Amino acid sequence: QVTLRESGPALVKPTQTLTLTCTFSGFSLSTSGMCVSWIRQPPGKALEWLALIDWDDDKYYSTSLKTRLTISKDTSKNQVVLTMTNMDPVDTATFYCARSSKGVAATVDYWGQGILVTVSS
Amino acid sequence: DIQMTQSPSSLSASVGDRVTITCQASQGISVFLNWFQQKPGKAPKLLIYDASTLETGVPSRFSGSGSGTTFTFTINSLQPEDIATYYCQQFDDVPLTFGGGTKVEIK
Repeated sequence: QVTLRESGPALVKPTQTLTLTCTFSGFSLSTSGMCVSWIRQPPGKALEWLALIDWDDDKYYSTSLKTRLTISKDTSKNQVVLTMTNMDPVDTATFYCARSSKGVAATVDYWGQGILVTVSS
Repeated sequence: DIQMTQSPSSLSASVGDRVTITCQASQGISVFLNWFQQKPGKAPKLLIYDASTLETGVPSRFSGSGSGTTFTFTINSLQPEDIATYYCQQFDDVPLTFGGGTKVEIK
């Protein structure tokens, strides 16, 4: 059974760095084809893909946000970490982590429940 | 980046109606397109992958078609439980990109 769960702060201040952790089970990120993405959704708005890390530790980022994002993995802990620097109130969103199992450009088939992060002083 | 343009942004239909949503890609993506359903406060749920393949357990009133740059998602006989926002998403290349969403309501 594949599960993913996001964890991190619910509130961050402007200019701070956000660190989110995705803890997953039911698959290994060392298995060929496995990838974990981060996707966000501001309240009432559309989904926005942020970053992806694959089984080979290759990393891919949103074109518009790549200077602010870092994705990493700890295979032994079944965790993927996303950091986002210089947070702003417009970054307030629900952040999801999600899995794909057939390579980088592949269907995201399992999602976490999401974590709402509010940016406010 | 591949841009995904989804229309309409919202629609209102009666129970039993046929509902159609369109997604246009800014360049050809073959059939590398998914459709997701999202209900308020929930994570998106995969309904259709590879443009037209129904995910296991998804009711057959949902269907998808298209290839290249133009795709269609259809709900045959809209049900009250289908009230949600629907998103297309391309996976032809990274960055993965989503359409703007279509909010479906009951008239």
